[in-house]
Order: sequence, then structure tokens, then C-alpha cells
Amino acid sequence: AQKVTQAQTEISVVEKEDVTLDCVYETRDTTYYLFWYKQPPSGELVFLIRRNSFDEQNEISGRYSWNFQKSTSSFNFTITASQVVDSAVYFCALRGRGSQGNLIFGKGTKLSVKP
Amino acid sequence: GAGVSQTPSNKVTEKGKYVELRCDPISGHTALYWYRQSLGQGPEFLIYFQGTGAADDSGLPNDRFFAVRPEGSVSTLKIQRTERGDSAVYLCASSPAGTGGFNEQFFGPGTRLTVL
Repeated sequence: AQKVTQAQTEISVVEKEDVTLDCVYETRDTTYYLFWYKQPPSGELVFLIRRNSFDEQNEISGRYSWNFQKSTSSFNFTITASQVVDSAVYFCALRGRGSQGNLIFGKGTKLSVKP
Repeated sequence: GAGVSQTPSNKVTEKGKYVELRCDPISGHTALYWYRQSLGQGPEFLIYFQGTGAADDSGLPNDRFFAVRPEGSVSTLKIQRTERGDSAVYLCASSPAGTGGFNEQFFGPGTRLTVL
């Protein structure tokens, strides 16, 4: 079975704070793909990053960074110097090699960044 | 080019009625997915099309739900005898390729269905 757990339901920070969103996944596939999506209040899911199971390099994109650790089945997302515009629900998702391509989403973490 | 579009953006219906939700994928995308998102939850997979055929419909909750993609582009999700529990946001996504691909899925804005 495949599963994605985002244990943090809601997080509230003050602008310029750093914040890490946790994601833990379960899969029996040896090849799989992990994704993060952002869902702002407007509702449309916006793709942020994908990672395949063979690439454990961490990635940084501006204020965003991702830490992929196969040993702990985690794919955490950090926003540095958070801004009000970062306020959204963030979803971690998994796609197994054997799946038909559909994504398994976590329940999401609602991030509120206050000025 | 244009992103994924979905119509209507909002649909209010009465219990027992039939509804159709439309998805226009990104031009050239062969893979199309339908998801359902209930309040406070992540999207849940319903059905996946590769071209005109449904490659995986394992997420459809019951036989009241049906989807088509007759020409390999636009897709329609059809719900018969709607129930209050069907109320949710229905999301459509498209991707340049299907199984085995590394490609991200591009999501539309969703259709918010409310069953009274």
C-alpha cells in the first residue's frame, strides 16, 4: 500500500521566520516519485517540485529547499524567510512506479504567515 | 499556452439529480486525471485516461460515477443520482505522458459541486 502522511495540520509563523513542512511516505516500490504542490486560497494546485527515488540530492530553489531522506522515508520542505504570500495549503504526493500514474496525496499542511 | 480549464466553476444541484463536469486539458497532453477533494483533505484519485481510454478507474467510488474522453482531449465526469456526500471540489489534471513518466500533473481550478 502507498501512503503519504503530513502530520502537521496547521502551522502559523510570523513573516521572515523559517518553516519546515514534514512529509513521510510509505511505498513498497523501489522506484517512485515524490512531489510537492501548493494550493493557495484561490484553490488551484501549483506544482513546486518532483524528485525520483534514486536522486537523494537536496534541492534549493530560491527560498525553498527540499530534504529527501530515503532512510527515514521523508521528503521535507523548508521555506526560509517566509512571506505572507507563502500562506497556502501545501501537499506532498507520491506516485509509485507500478501505479498508472495517479498521485497519492497527503492531507496537506495549512501554512499561515502573518505580517 | 492555456492551462487546464474546468467548467462550471461552481455547480449547485439537488439530491438525486444528474450532473456533468467538464475538463479541457492542456493541448497535446495525452494523460488526463480526475481527483476529488473534500474539505480539509488532499485530492483523491478517481480515474485516469491515456488517450481516449480509461486506463485506471479504480478510484471511482461507485457506479453512479462515470467519465468519458471520446476524442482524447476534453473529458466529462458524469454523476448520476447525486447524493449529499458527493459534495466536493472535483479537480482535473493533465500530463504530457502517462505511466512510468516523471512528468508532473498540471491541475485545473476545479469545479465545486454542492448537492443540497
